[in-house]
Amino acid sequence: KAGVTQTPRYLIKTRGQQVTLSCSPISGHRSVSWYQQTPGQGLQFLFEYFSETQRNKGNFPGRFSGRQFSNSRSEMNVSTLELGDSALYLCASSLGQGLFYNEQFFGPGTRLTVL
Amino acid sequence: AQTVTQSQPEMSVQEAETVTLSCTYDTSESNYYLFWYKQPPSRQMILVIRQEAYKQQNATENRFSVNFQKAAKSFSLKISDSQLGDTAMYFCAFMPQSGNTPLVFGKGTRLSVIA
Repeated sequence: KAGVTQTPRYLIKTRGQQVTLSCSPISGHRSVSWYQQTPGQGLQFLFEYFSETQRNKGNFPGRFSGRQFSNSRSEMNVSTLELGDSALYLCASSLGQGLFYNEQFFGPGTRLTVL
Repeated sequence: AQTVTQSQPEMSVQEAETVTLSCTYDTSESNYYLFWYKQPPSRQMILVIRQEAYKQQNATENRFSVNFQKAAKSFSLKISDSQLGDTAMYFCAFMPQSGNTPLVFGKGTRLSVIA
């Protein structure tokens, strides 16, 4: 079974631009979560989508948004990029159902550099 | 809000030796999960070991074991017979057992295994 894939792997943008990152979950997984990883703040939760609906949201400004498609693929968008948005963006997929724990499987990440 | 603290930013260990990584957490939840994730230099985050808070027995996965002290809110990872491939960032993470909720990560410990 193929793992979680993220595209692109590397991205360089300038301040003020916007960017879209893509995540394809493991087949059969309906939940996709996004995390931002920086050396200073560590791993911080952005949002989670399940069956095309945002189910959980972290404490990030409205410049960060996402969506999920009917095939469970997810995109996140960052508008009006700032230098501080430079980070590794990780997505994780899981079955997302039931009352208890579903293991999250992580993708390789997209390294975003904002100049 | 839950917090996870890893007090050792960096550690090193000789090949074949044993090393213990520390993690403490703070929560008012009574039921939850704790995890150790490994992120090698290639960046793909993988789950090393999981512990359910309601289980008194410490989890073990081959050379990896945990020391879970619920009252002290402590969750350390012991790696026995360290191998060069264990070189990675290790993240301690928490998830309440209340449905599908985001992972809360510590800042990580960079482990170097030295030949």
